[in-house]
Amino acid sequence: GIQVEQSPPDLILQEGANSTLRCNFSDSVNNLQWFHQNPWGQLINLFYIPSGTKQNGRLSATTVATERYSLLYISSSQTTDSGVYFCAAHTNTGRRALTFGSGTRLQVQP
Amino acid sequence: ETGVTQSPTHLIKTRGQQVTLRCSSQSGHNTVSWYQQALGQGPQFIFQYYREEENGRGNFPPRFSGLQFPNYSSELNVNALELDDSALYLCASSIGGSNNEQFFGPGTRLTVL
Repeated sequence: GIQVEQSPPDLILQEGANSTLRCNFSDSVNNLQWFHQNPWGQLINLFYIPSGTKQNGRLSATTVATERYSLLYISSSQTTDSGVYFCAAHTNTGRRALTFGSGTRLQVQP
Repeated sequence: ETGVTQSPTHLIKTRGQQVTLRCSSQSGHNTVSWYQQALGQGPQFIFQYYREEENGRGNFPPRFSGLQFPNYSSELNVNALELDDSALYLCASSIGGSNNEQFFGPGTRLTVL
């Protein structure tokens, strides 16, 4: 099945800094999603982005499907951005489900 | 529009017992997928239901079973609980399959003692 790798595994930032999270995947995808998992465990949808670029406030994402990677940009980080960020991918050749990476744990310090 | 809901929020069981977790899909969504998330890991796919039929399964034993009802809500049943079943159980709903955007519920945290 598809392999999804995220980097870095951990990231510590000062408030106001920018960051880039990376997601590499091993096969062509028809779904690529970014999530933020809050401290209570809920996965919050950030982007549905199998290809192209999207922006939502301080967050933006780019997926380059031909090169099999996606990037999540966080600008002017805030303490509320802390948590675990997951990317997840789906491919028609695999299981009928999202395959998740192992996540990037982000800590934003005041 | 109501989002994905799950019940109960937390559950404590002992080894060998059986448990049923419930999920109500988002309005208009006909597909429900269940995931298990162990501490410090990403969610792992258990199975998916589409129009009341199991539509795919991950690497979980048969003691993990499910149902989907005509209103597209779903249940996850786990028999003969083991200590390693302690995890956060997440359900996700979508219109059609996993190629479409998935929306997750808040999860049920199961502890097996």
